[in-house]
Amino acid sequence: DAGVIQSPRHEVTEMGQEVTLRCKPISGHDYLFWYRQTMMRGLELLIYFNNNVPIDDSGMPEDRFSAKMPNASFSTLKIQPSEPRDSAVYFCASREDLNTEAFFGQGTRLTVV
Amino acid sequence: GEDVEQSLFLSVREGDSSVINCTYTDSSSTYLYWYKQEPGAGLQLLTYIFSNMDMKQDQRLTVLLNKKDKHLSLRIADTQTGDSAIYFCAENNAGNMLTFGGGTRLMVKP
Repeated sequence: DAGVIQSPRHEVTEMGQEVTLRCKPISGHDYLFWYRQTMMRGLELLIYFNNNVPIDDSGMPEDRFSAKMPNASFSTLKIQPSEPRDSAVYFCASREDLNTEAFFGQGTRLTVV
Repeated sequence: GEDVEQSLFLSVREGDSSVINCTYTDSSSTYLYWYKQEPGAGLQLLTYIFSNMDMKQDQRLTVLLNKKDKHLSLRIADTQTGDSAIYFCAENNAGNMLTFGGGTRLMVKP
């Protein structure tokens, strides 16, 4: 397996635009997580899914953020409208189950200008 | 509550040992992990320790767990410049969710 795949690796967008980040988890992993990493706040869990169902979205900062997992091999994190303070590195991770380690993607570095 | 604490920064000379420390609060944690993040990359699992162990060694890496004090450490022997990265400890808490520390930036000087 190629690991967790995220796209794009870098995204620069203007304030107010919609941004969509994509993730393909490792095949057979039942859990998918979206994290945000900033210098100020470190690594924050935004939302996670189990078998494509959102379980806990309490980390999603605002209604501007939404995440979907239409099938076991694909998830999106959308920000609409984007703001400069959303600039961060967004990681997707997957776990086979909750007793195993998390495998992380390479991240998407988002810059909102 | 859940809180995993790490020091922000550690600087060592090449060839010396590095010790990165971490404290956690959830005594029911089952596994504790060390992840490494190199510049521009995601987090990669380095090693982990089960909560009923007090030590685990894997080549240059030694993990020590003091469950009584809720203290975890990662020792890297013969530290190399390629070890320069951010190291995160994480606990698998009672809800089986991973809680990460803030990361320790290790700088290795030649």
